[in-house]
Amino acid sequence: DGGITQSPKYLFRKEGQNVTLSCEQNLNHDAMYWYRQDPGQGLRLIYYSQIVNDFQKGDIAEGYSVSREKKESFPLTVTSAQKNPTAFYLCASSMGLAGKGPETQYFGPGTRLLVL
Amino acid sequence: AQKVTQAQTEISVVEKEDVTLDCVYETRDTTYYLFWYKQPPSGELVFLIRRNSFDEQNEISGRYSWNFQKSTSSFNFTITASQVVDSAVYFCALSEANDYKLSFGAGTTVTVRA
Repeated sequence: DGGITQSPKYLFRKEGQNVTLSCEQNLNHDAMYWYRQDPGQGLRLIYYSQIVNDFQKGDIAEGYSVSREKKESFPLTVTSAQKNPTAFYLCASSMGLAGKGPETQYFGPGTRLLVL
Repeated sequence: AQKVTQAQTEISVVEKEDVTLDCVYETRDTTYYLFWYKQPPSGELVFLIRRNSFDEQNEISGRYSWNFQKSTSSFNFTITASQVVDSAVYFCALSEANDYKLSFGAGTTVTVRA
């Protein structure tokens, strides 16, 4: 089945630890995104990537890092510099702009990150 | 800067009632795209609709309908004859032309009671 997978579903981080959230898509989409969702709030963009080996900071990139070595994969690392990492993290992908305006973003099931 | 406002934080209705979710947006662009997503308790966002700024026709999809009014910068969403399965958080979002970024509203939590 085509779709977006995120793992793990739940992740626990200890103080000072870096953790990596996985996002994989088999939709052949060019663009991928990472969002953070805090309780009672909308989604905020962390990073996005329009194409392999290229990515841009979103609105709240501090304390996070990403890589885009393959079209299908866009892992997010939450570093120790992120002082308040407890949140729900959602990955999304889209076909990209393609000259027709922003395409619809489709979302994965999310990863809930908790700090021990 | 673009902005989306969903003034209703929570709405509670009894099954079979209609419910309308308000969405007001701000943008300086003349070309932009509006979206609605549903987030059920499982957490995954489900895409409902994408509408560009040049298409002001209202749209109906089953029990869902959308009313786009550029004059008031609103893109409201109505669920007709609500069902318990409609209980979720609903988000309105805006993207400007040539921009990958989606700006989300804070969401409206809809609870449908049996």
